[in-house]
Amino acid sequence: AQTVTQSQPEMSVQEAETVTLSCTYDTSESNYYLFWYKQPPSRQMILVIRQEAYKQQNATENRFSVNFQKAAKSFSLKISDSQLGDTAMYFCAFMPSFGANNLFFGTGTRLTVIP
Amino acid sequence: DAGVIQSPRHEVTEMGQEVTLRCKPISGHNSLFWYRQTMMRGLELLIYFNNNVPIDDSGMPEDRFSAKMPNASFSTLKIQPSEPRDSAVYFCASSPGTGGAETQYFGPGTRLLVL
Repeated sequence: AQTVTQSQPEMSVQEAETVTLSCTYDTSESNYYLFWYKQPPSRQMILVIRQEAYKQQNATENRFSVNFQKAAKSFSLKISDSQLGDTAMYFCAFMPSFGANNLFFGTGTRLTVIP
Repeated sequence: DAGVIQSPRHEVTEMGQEVTLRCKPISGHNSLFWYRQTMMRGLELLIYFNNNVPIDDSGMPEDRFSAKMPNASFSTLKIQPSEPRDSAVYFCASSPGTGGAETQYFGPGTRLLVL
């Protein structure tokens, strides 16, 4: 079974600073996909970034980037130049590449950006 | 493009009543997912459809829960009879369903409160 662990229940960062959210996962598969979703107070689940395990290059999306360490089964999210609108719950998720396209979610990290 | 549409956004009902949650996936998407989010269990997959056919319903809690997808643009999740422990946010998500691991796009969720 796939498990996703987010060890930081809550974090805070000053506006314009950089913060890193950690995520580890456990799987016996070699091919899979990893995601970070953001859930603001509106409760909408919004895709932040996606990483394919077969790609060595870390994914980036504007101020968001990941540090994917396949051997360590680690997938951290870095947010640069934090903005007030980044305040949200952040969920790391794992998807196997074969079979049902289930997303397995971590328990989330609540990020607060302080003005 | 309209995203995933869910209705109602909020539902308050009394124990024992029937509850029906509705979802319209993104046009052209062939896969549809129902998730439940609670404080205790986090985000968990309930059921997954591909081309209107249920593929994996192993996450459906019990016989009180049922889901249907009569056509490509509509799905329902029904709880009958409802119980207080069913109180949660229910998300619908869709993905293109063309094969392989694909990004899932979430609706705004339905917040259900069973008294």
